[in-house]
Amino acid sequence: DTGVSQDPRHKITKRGQNVTFRCDPISEHNRLYWYRQTLGQGPEFLTYFQNEAQLEKSRLLSDRFSAERPKGSFSTLEIQRTEQGDSAMYLCASSSPTSGRRYEQYFGPGTRLTVT
Amino acid sequence: AQSVTQLDSQVPVFEEAPVELRCNYSSSVSVYLFWYVQYPNQGLQLLLKYLSGSTLVESINGFEAEFNKSQTSFHLRKPSVHISDTAEYFCAVSDPNTGNQFYFGTGTSLTVIP
Repeated sequence: DTGVSQDPRHKITKRGQNVTFRCDPISEHNRLYWYRQTLGQGPEFLTYFQNEAQLEKSRLLSDRFSAERPKGSFSTLEIQRTEQGDSAMYLCASSSPTSGRRYEQYFGPGTRLTVT
Repeated sequence: AQSVTQLDSQVPVFEEAPVELRCNYSSSVSVYLFWYVQYPNQGLQLLLKYLSGSTLVESINGFEAEFNKSQTSFHLRKPSVHISDTAEYFCAVSDPNTGNQFYFGTGTSLTVIP
């Protein structure tokens, strides 16, 4: 068990460019979550998947944001036409509803996005 | 929607002194409660959780938290802190019916002073 991994760890992009982040959950976890954390704030929920189905989306997830989990394993979060307000740490977490620790979410190290 | 309040954004404390990090939540229904710790340049790590049963829960590194339903609080305490406890601490709640999204507080930065 290597934990949740995210790639890249840091991304600097110019305003208007598209970016894509990847998250690999713990292998047996079928739930995957995306959060956004800005400076001085706690993580804010964006969306979550159970297997390949996206079951819930926050109002924070504007139409410039899209998340996928095509095979129920890794997930990608894409931001189109980035804005400076998108600068934040993007966190991924996973959990397993069928395990004894089903209510615990395990977090990755995050991807820090800076939009210039 | 549920919300979590961590009133203390920064808490400096001397080594070996006790500490309490406060967490209050707003919900009229049952909740699950969590404390996560984030060390510099690392991800969030689960410190302890309350799901049901005993209202006092403990972590392996000496932290404890007590669920107080009447005061809607879940304060984190440690009787004697170490330098290595310096980190950001986040309180979070979730809905037991769904167990999906977590609602986090804004965090408390604990700095242990030698």
